[in-house]
Amino acid sequence: SQQGEEDPQALSIQEGENATMNCSYKTSINNLQWYRQNSGRGLVHLILIRSNEREKHSGRLRVTLDTSKKSSSLLITASRAADTASYFCAPSKGGANNLFFGTGTRLTVIP
Amino acid sequence: NAGVTQTPKFQVLKTGQSMTLQCAQDMNHEYMSWYRQDPGMGLRLIHYSVGAGITDQGEVPNGYNVSRSTTEDFPLRLLSAAPSQTSVYFCASSYPTGSGANVLTFGAGSRLTVL
Repeated sequence: SQQGEEDPQALSIQEGENATMNCSYKTSINNLQWYRQNSGRGLVHLILIRSNEREKHSGRLRVTLDTSKKSSSLLITASRAADTASYFCAPSKGGANNLFFGTGTRLTVIP
Repeated sequence: NAGVTQTPKFQVLKTGQSMTLQCAQDMNHEYMSWYRQDPGMGLRLIHYSVGAGITDQGEVPNGYNVSRSTTEDFPLRLLSAAPSQTSVYFCASSYPTGSGANVLTFGAGSRLTVL
């Protein structure tokens, strides 16, 4: 499948610090998405980066994509307690293809 | 605009019982899917549909049935519940973006316990 693998499995930081989580995948892709899941809730789409893009920003989020290394990173700057959640990457070949999710990175932001 | 609505939110079943998890979306999305989420296993795709009348199997389809008679609804049926089906179930729908990416909108989840 097109599943991504997030790393680390868990990350704990102080409020105000930056959080970086990584995603690796194995096959060629058209795009890669990041999703957030708050405890007990459904996943929420955060950002999409296409295979011809190297970096993308959205508010405090910065995503990079290195297709040669088959990896992506999600940086959350100036983290807040409300950023506490699990984060999942979803590499995709695009179109109506299914998305496959790994086990995510569980981020805890300590106030 | 309610998005993706799942019912029930919580359900307890006995082994062997059957039930249906309901999923409805009001965004006119063609694509719908069901995932289950278990601790340490991430989300696993059960079944999906690319349009009314079309369904297909995902990674873990055994023990589940789906149908797609309308664009809006995509129910998931457990035929004979087993304790291994204790999980949190998520329904998702999407409409491809201009670049062809499949961006999913998820429901809030249905937590199922099978005793």
